[in-house]
Amino acid sequence: DAKTTQPNSMESNEEEPVHLPCNHSTISGTDYIHWYRQLPSQGPEYVIHGLTSNVNNRMASLAIAEDRKSSTLILHRATLRDAAVYYCILRVGVRTSGSRLTFGEGTQLTVNP
Amino acid sequence: DAGVIQSPRHEVTEMGQEVTLRCKPISGHNSLFWYRQTMMRGLELLIYFNNNVPIDDSGMPEDRFSAKMPNASFSTLKIQPSEPRDSAVYFCASSFNQVAVLNEQFFGPGTRLTVL
Repeated sequence: DAKTTQPNSMESNEEEPVHLPCNHSTISGTDYIHWYRQLPSQGPEYVIHGLTSNVNNRMASLAIAEDRKSSTLILHRATLRDAAVYYCILRVGVRTSGSRLTFGEGTQLTVNP
Repeated sequence: DAGVIQSPRHEVTEMGQEVTLRCKPISGHNSLFWYRQTMMRGLELLIYFNNNVPIDDSGMPEDRFSAKMPNASFSTLKIQPSEPRDSAVYFCASSFNQVAVLNEQFFGPGTRLTVL
């Protein structure tokens, strides 16, 4: 699986936007970019995913660089409940064997009141 | 929808004892995953099933670990005999996996295992 690189930790203030970066310089053409987050004492939960175009959903936005070697997860207004570990994961598409997720160390996001 | 259900939520046992962790996936999902999370190794995939068939068990640490999925609504992860280094949080996840359709994995609340 292609590897991703994320900062170990980031801090934000409540109600401010947060930009969480992820580098994936060895990404291949069929790799989808997935983001999951893990709240304290809970299992991971899906946030968003994309292939080439920027994506928006109710939780966040995903901005993907034109060369696809990096991406940024954007939380538009951070709340205290967004404090979690955020994982950027590359996942092979369009094959049943591409079901697996390989979690790295992720970014620990701290949100200050 | 109840989500992925895991039991027990907490298990404390002594070294050498058999431990069985249970998982009920979300109804209609055809893929099931077992993960283990520790401070040292992070979150790692142990095994996953598609349509009740084990597809990849390369993450299973050793022969002491075994997993079964007798039907679409139930899976077990067994450790026999257990050792202190098996202490971790074990997560079960399920998804609807279909070629060309990427659906997210839904994780259960986890089972915190402590082996004394």
